[in-house]
Amino acid sequence: DIQVTQSPSSLSASVGDRVTLTCRASESISTFLNWYQQKPGKAPKLLIYDASNLQSGVPSRFSGSGSGTDFTLTISSLQPEDFATYYCQQSYTISWTFGQGTKVEIK
Amino acid sequence: QVQLVESGGGVVQPGRSLRLSCAASGFTFSSFGMHWVRQAPGKGLEWVAFISYDGTNKFYADSVKGRFTFSRDNSKNTLYLQINSLRSEDTAVYYCAKDRVPAASIYGLDVWGQGTAVTVSS
Repeated sequence: DIQVTQSPSSLSASVGDRVTLTCRASESISTFLNWYQQKPGKAPKLLIYDASNLQSGVPSRFSGSGSGTDFTLTISSLQPEDFATYYCQQSYTISWTFGQGTKVEIK
Repeated sequence: QVQLVESGGGVVQPGRSLRLSCAASGFTFSSFGMHWVRQAPGKGLEWVAFISYDGTNKFYADSVKGRFTFSRDNSKNTLYLQINSLRSEDTAVYYCAKDRVPAASIYGLDVWGQGTAVTVSS
């Protein structure tokens, strides 16, 4: 199975900061990588699909990039509502593996 | 609006069975592949199972293969997850989720239910 590893596992940042989260796949997955945001007690929300495509309704401060094994999610200017846990997910193979998550906390 | 509503969770003894349901509305249910994803308390997301739009293809995580059965009734816009031989490690919130693109499971899961909690405990 393809493993997906996120880094860091957590980070502290301030409102207005530029934040970059990383996801690495154990083998090439082309651009079949999706990003989700999850807030406590809520279902995950799709932010980015196919590595760099913004899901409808998601603010443009979110962007994704990468291909092959290395991917990033960038929040250009962190807003109070962005404090959450972010998961990447590979959809290249049937196991649809999720990363372990990156928790973005308030500094 | 597009909505998924799970039900059927609860507290169950180890070794017993449970059937979860997921009622869909607001979209052409029979055109989309569907998934179950679970989240153990304080842990990350774990993909559990997939069913194709027409129910002919089903895939399971290794951790549940042989114990979980995923089915759908397109006439009722409803998914079912039959869970047998429950183990403590099955304790989690179970979410159903929809493929973003009809008949294509590579472009993310764009609609999620609110989740139903399963607790396996004696």
